[in-house]
Amino acid sequence: KQEVTQIPAALSVPEGENLVLNCSFTDSAIYNLQWFRQDPGKGLTSLLLIQSSQREQTSGRLNASLDKSSGRSTLYIAASQPGDSATYLCAPLGAGGTSYGKLTFGQGTILTVHP
Amino acid sequence: DVKVTQSSRYLVKRTGEKVFLECVQDMDHENMFWYRQDPGLGLRLIYFSYDVKMKEKGDIPEGYSVSREKKERFSLILESASTNQTSMYLCASSPPPLAGEKNEQFFGPGTRLTVL
Repeated sequence: KQEVTQIPAALSVPEGENLVLNCSFTDSAIYNLQWFRQDPGKGLTSLLLIQSSQREQTSGRLNASLDKSSGRSTLYIAASQPGDSATYLCAPLGAGGTSYGKLTFGQGTILTVHP
Repeated sequence: DVKVTQSSRYLVKRTGEKVFLECVQDMDHENMFWYRQDPGLGLRLIYFSYDVKMKEKGDIPEGYSVSREKKERFSLILESASTNQTSMYLCASSPPPLAGEKNEQFFGPGTRLTVL
């Protein structure tokens, strides 16, 4: 069964810093991996999706990388802003076994960017 | 813009009541999902559906049922609500999982259910 771990669990940084959020998963049989953002009391917003054949995906100040064989993904946030404060979740989409067609979520990284 | 909507943002019910949570998507997606989210436990899959009238149990189906009579609508039913079903409920939809396709999953805004 797929298991997903996100490190660190929480991060507090001053505005302007570049950040790296880490995600590891145990089963490399995946179609893709999504990174989501969740604000308190709200639903999930999809930030980036990396397909299993890709190594990187970029959107604005966000860059996500994927190393499927080693079961790792990172989300890089450049020049962080207070508006980036939220919980960030990663979720690989299973391509086989009991995880087929399902996202498995990590516990998330709670990010606080202070002015 | 793609959209997943949920019938209520907040809901308060009493123990033993039958509760319906509705989810509608406008993207013509085959797949729809219901999750619950609790502090310290993360997001857990309750039920999902790959097609109309089709349903599959997720990781925590006990105490819940679902209905999918139309492609765009997926309902979660609590037959007899209990206090341990107080939670945030999230609905999502996606295309079917296919190699080489984007298979992106989109979420609704969530329903915060409180059972007294």
